[in-house]
Amino acid sequence: QVQLKESGPGLVQPSQTLSLTCTVSGFSLTSYHVSWVRQPPGKGLEWMGVIWTGGSTAYNSLLKSRLSISRDISKSQVFLKMNSLQTEDTATYYCARDYYSGPGYWGQGVMVTVSS
Amino acid sequence: DVVLTQTPVAQPVTLGDQASISCRSSQSLVHSNGNTYLEWYLQKPGQSPQLLIYKVSNRFSGVPDRFIGSGSGSDFTLKISRVEPEDLGVYYCFQATHDPYTFGAGTKLELK
Repeated sequence: QVQLKESGPGLVQPSQTLSLTCTVSGFSLTSYHVSWVRQPPGKGLEWMGVIWTGGSTAYNSLLKSRLSISRDISKSQVFLKMNSLQTEDTATYYCARDYYSGPGYWGQGVMVTVSS
Repeated sequence: DVVLTQTPVAQPVTLGDQASISCRSSQSLVHSNGNTYLEWYLQKPGQSPQLLIYKVSNRFSGVPDRFIGSGSGSDFTLKISRVEPEDLGVYYCFQATHDPYTFGAGTKLELK
C-alpha cells in the first residue's frame, strides 16, 4: 500500500539549513507527484512545494528563495532543503503523494524545532 | 497567489446536526483543462490531514456519503449531514488549479 515517511533532524540552529527526506513505498515517483506541507504549532497548513513526475518543481512564493525539492528515483526518496532557517520555521513537516491533483496520501510528519 | 477564505472560523455543532463550511477563492478555480481542483481535508487532533473531497464533489476512498462537496467557479461548500464524533477537527479547503497551490486557513468543527 501507499506509504510515506519523513525523516530528519528534530532540532536545527537558526540560520542553518534544514534537510528532510521523504521515503515512499507502494508507488513510483515517476507516476505521482509529491508535495511538502508544513504546519507551525497550533496553526494552519502551508503548502511548500511539489516535485512533479517529470522532476520539475514548483514552490510557495514566500519560500521560493530558500527552498529546494529534489528526488532520487532509485531510492524512492524525495528531499527538502531549506536554508536560512528562523524560529518561525518551527513546524511539523509533511510529505504527501497526490491523488488527482493535491495531496491524497500523507506521511505521519516530522517535527522540526529551530532554536539555539 | 490564490487566497482561499474559509468561513466560519469555528462551527459549534450538536452531534446529529448538519454543518456547513464555505470556501471562497480570490479567483476562479476552473483550470484551463476544464477541471476544478478544489479539495477538502480534515485534520483530527494529533493526526496528519486526510483527504475527504477532490475536484469539488468527489469523495475519496472510504469517505462516508454524509460528506458532500459542492460549488463552482470561486465559491464552494462542504456540508456534513448528521455530524458524528469522528467528524470533529479542523477542515481545510485547498486549491491545485493555480501555481502555487494554497490552503484555506481552516474551520474548526467543535461541539456546542
